[in-house]
Amino acid sequence: DAGITQSPRHKVTETGTPVTLRCHQTENHRYMYWYRQDPGHGLRLIHYSYGVKDTDKGEVSDGYSVSRSKTEDFLLTLESATSSQTSVYFCAISESFLGETQYFGPGTRLLVL
Amino acid sequence: AQKVTQAQTEISVVEKEDVTLDCVYETRDTTYYLFWYKQPPSGELVFLIRRNSFDEQNEISGRYSWNFQKSTSSFNFTITASQVVDSAVYFCALSLRGAQKLVFGQGTRLTINP
Repeated sequence: DAGITQSPRHKVTETGTPVTLRCHQTENHRYMYWYRQDPGHGLRLIHYSYGVKDTDKGEVSDGYSVSRSKTEDFLLTLESATSSQTSVYFCAISESFLGETQYFGPGTRLLVL
Repeated sequence: AQKVTQAQTEISVVEKEDVTLDCVYETRDTTYYLFWYKQPPSGELVFLIRRNSFDEQNEISGRYSWNFQKSTSSFNFTITASQVVDSAVYFCALSLRGAQKLVFGQGTRLTINP
């Protein structure tokens, strides 16, 4: 199994508060991703990173920001959480963009009240 | 645009039955990759298989087999002699060469009843 951890695993927060989710990998993979999973939508890409300090937006990036200061860590921040951001968040890693397999972390379940 | 359709939202079978999960994809690219992932009740996403668009050979891994047909843009997944442990949500996904994301289908919830 790919060495990917996510923290926290569960979080309950209130609308308007900032939230940061962390993804940590021990595989030294260059590419990291954040997805959200919602019923009826499968998984959708929020942001991705192609190297330290190199990030870009995915299809559902509004309301989210990311940072990557080290190869092994990729942070997802909800600047001001909203109820629509209640979801399960998955981090993934891959060696390249060239159709390589993405391996997923265990997920973080976030509830915004 | 790329799209993955898993028309079967839920399937329920009795243990030891064979079951096929359908996946139909859309893309105009000639180079692409197809994946299946399993999400058991515990919630993690487990990688099952990756195929590229130039390899239409069917694949078998134990009780699992995959049928890739470019002519019908399908990448179907069959479980033979299903077991209760196969109960999960299964996702089919598509990625393009050089693209940064996986495009997922909505998933098929498979329930294997004892």
